[in-house]
Amino acid sequence: AQKITQTQPGMFVQEKEAVTLDCTYDTSDPSYGLFWYKQPSSGEMIFLIYQGSYDQQNATEGRYSLNFQKARKSANLVISASQLGDSAMYFCAMREVTTGNQFYFGTGTSLTVIP
Amino acid sequence: GAVVSQHPSRVICKSGTSVKIECRSLDFQATTMFWYRQFPKQSLMLMATSNEGSKATYEQGVEKDKFLINHASLTLSTLTVTSAHPEDSSFYICSASMVSGANVLTFGAGSRLTVL
Repeated sequence: AQKITQTQPGMFVQEKEAVTLDCTYDTSDPSYGLFWYKQPSSGEMIFLIYQGSYDQQNATEGRYSLNFQKARKSANLVISASQLGDSAMYFCAMREVTTGNQFYFGTGTSLTVIP
Repeated sequence: GAVVSQHPSRVICKSGTSVKIECRSLDFQATTMFWYRQFPKQSLMLMATSNEGSKATYEQGVEKDKFLINHASLTLSTLTVTSAHPEDSSFYICSASMVSGANVLTFGAGSRLTVL
């Protein structure tokens, strides 16, 4: 089974609008971390936001927020007030803490912000 | 914040030569470094986990003799693509983590290898 599933290969959003990128995960480890990374065309992986499995509140970092629904095993990324510079690939990732610390990445979502 | 430097960013080599890619953690000690390979428009594929002072743990299907990984210090890991062939052309990206646990993985900028 896939550890991380991103079902949206491509997304479009109007500039200044909000967009939600979907991510579901699968783990039996009670302790895990969820991450979102942005990869622009230059190739670098830029860390955006982190959510721990025991965190009670949804993580927020500026225009980024993570909609963490533990029972549904989903960790959707919400980008508010989209900017042209947000156009990039976005990867959801999970790290299982007690079973080896390995990171698992989703297949990514390509986001295009339309002016 | 944590910074990982990866060098070279681009390399072009002839088939049959070996190429070394360096990954350095600049302002922290990385007990564990990960090496990934990424094909165009695809996700990152974990190649190996590198622990300082010990042999790397390779993922299934990754040739140990083809992709030599050395983690000689807490700040440096190297990936050597030996006897490179055109099919080894890819984007290689390293990452490092400060301590075990749910810590952020910091990535290098990646190295684009083209084998002619």
